[in-house]
Amino acid sequence: GQQVMQIPQYQHVQEGEDFTTYCNSSTTLSNIQWYKQRPGGHPVFLIQLVKSGEVKKQKRLTFQFGEAKKNSSLHITATQTTDVGTYFCSSSSGSARQLTFGSGTQLTVLP
Amino acid sequence: NAGVTQTPKFQVLKTGQSMTLQCAQDMNHEYMSWYRQDPGMGLRLIHYSVGAGITDQGEVPNGYNVSRSTTEDFPLRLLSAAPSQTSVYFCASSQGFARGYTFGSGTRLTVV
Repeated sequence: GQQVMQIPQYQHVQEGEDFTTYCNSSTTLSNIQWYKQRPGGHPVFLIQLVKSGEVKKQKRLTFQFGEAKKNSSLHITATQTTDVGTYFCSSSSGSARQLTFGSGTQLTVLP
Repeated sequence: NAGVTQTPKFQVLKTGQSMTLQCAQDMNHEYMSWYRQDPGMGLRLIHYSVGAGITDQGEVPNGYNVSRSTTEDFPLRLLSAAPSQTSVYFCASSQGFARGYTFGSGTRLTVV
């Protein structure tokens, strides 16, 4: 399956600070999906990006897909304690009809 | 609309025992998948299905079997449980390739 690398593995921020997680691939991706998993919960689909250079926003969350379609980022502006959780990127690229996940970024928001 | 339902939520098995993790969805999704989640390793695909009667292996299929006799159900069978299979198992479904997946609440399995 498609390999996607995600950094950082952990991130601690003060409430109100911004947060960014990055997803990188050595090959071109046909799409990127982002998921959020709260502690003890299950992954929840956030968004999918398919176009080169695409930018989508959901309130304080901004998602970007790189021009070369080899990387993506999720940026949270002014984090809140409700943003705590692990954020995963994933891709279903190539001929394999499989969804492959990055290892995730665990976000801790300190009040 | 229940979404994706997994049972049981918790299970303890002895080494060598077999069991079936159940997964059912009521959204008429064609795509269904099983993942295992271990600390620091993200979600790894075990098996997936693109429709009734069609299944295929994912990244870590050894020790697991699946079948897809109906659109709604996608059970995961552990043939002979091993401590290395201690994990959290998630079932997920989707309308199709490259769509967002809906996950079940998971089964926490411990093999002793």
